[in-house]
Amino acid sequence: AQKVTQAQTEISVVEKEDVTLDCVYETRDTTYYLFWYKQPPSGELVFLIRRNSFDEQNEISGRYSWNFQKSTSSFNFTITASQVVDSAVYFCALSEGVTSGTYKYIFGTGTRLKVLA
Amino acid sequence: DGGITQSPKYLFRKEGQNVTLSCEQNLNHDAMYWYRQDPGQGLRLIYYSQIVNDFQKGDIAEGYSVSREKKESFPLTVTSAQKNPTAFYLCASSIGGTTNEQFFGPGTRLTVL
Repeated sequence: AQKVTQAQTEISVVEKEDVTLDCVYETRDTTYYLFWYKQPPSGELVFLIRRNSFDEQNEISGRYSWNFQKSTSSFNFTITASQVVDSAVYFCALSEGVTSGTYKYIFGTGTRLKVLA
Repeated sequence: DGGITQSPKYLFRKEGQNVTLSCEQNLNHDAMYWYRQDPGQGLRLIYYSQIVNDFQKGDIAEGYSVSREKKESFPLTVTSAQKNPTAFYLCASSIGGTTNEQFFGPGTRLTVL
């Protein structure tokens, strides 16, 4: 079955520390997409990145970087030099049905990141 | 501004009453989704629709109903059959299929008294 595991329920770091949020997925599909979203205290999820199963290049966007490894079914997210504004719940998600046509997204349970000043 | 609106932000209802949550998008997206969020459980899919006049049950559809009569609207009704309706409800949309990201509304926090 399709599944996304975010084993870290909550992480606390001090400002300027680097932090990595883990995401491990399971899928039967050969073509799939992975996503990361940020949910600030306001509640609305904000899209951060999309990665398809054929593209294992790491991605860097400012202080954010993502490491996708098909061999370990992982799509980890690193924030460099964390800031208080990074405090939020972060969700990893997997697309389902690209090949089967069911067209759903599977979300992990989220990791709450607290960045302390 | 394009986006998704959900209203109201907070909703209180008495036990046994049906309640309808609004979701409207002006992104011209074909697909729309309803999720329920409970503490520590992430997002769980209630219903989704890939096209007007068609929708499918998600993982926790019991006690909920939807309609998709217009492309821009996907209202969710929480019925009295839903045993534990108090939760945070999020609506999302996407272009279609699952190759693209979803855009989320601000959510509605429903409290049943």
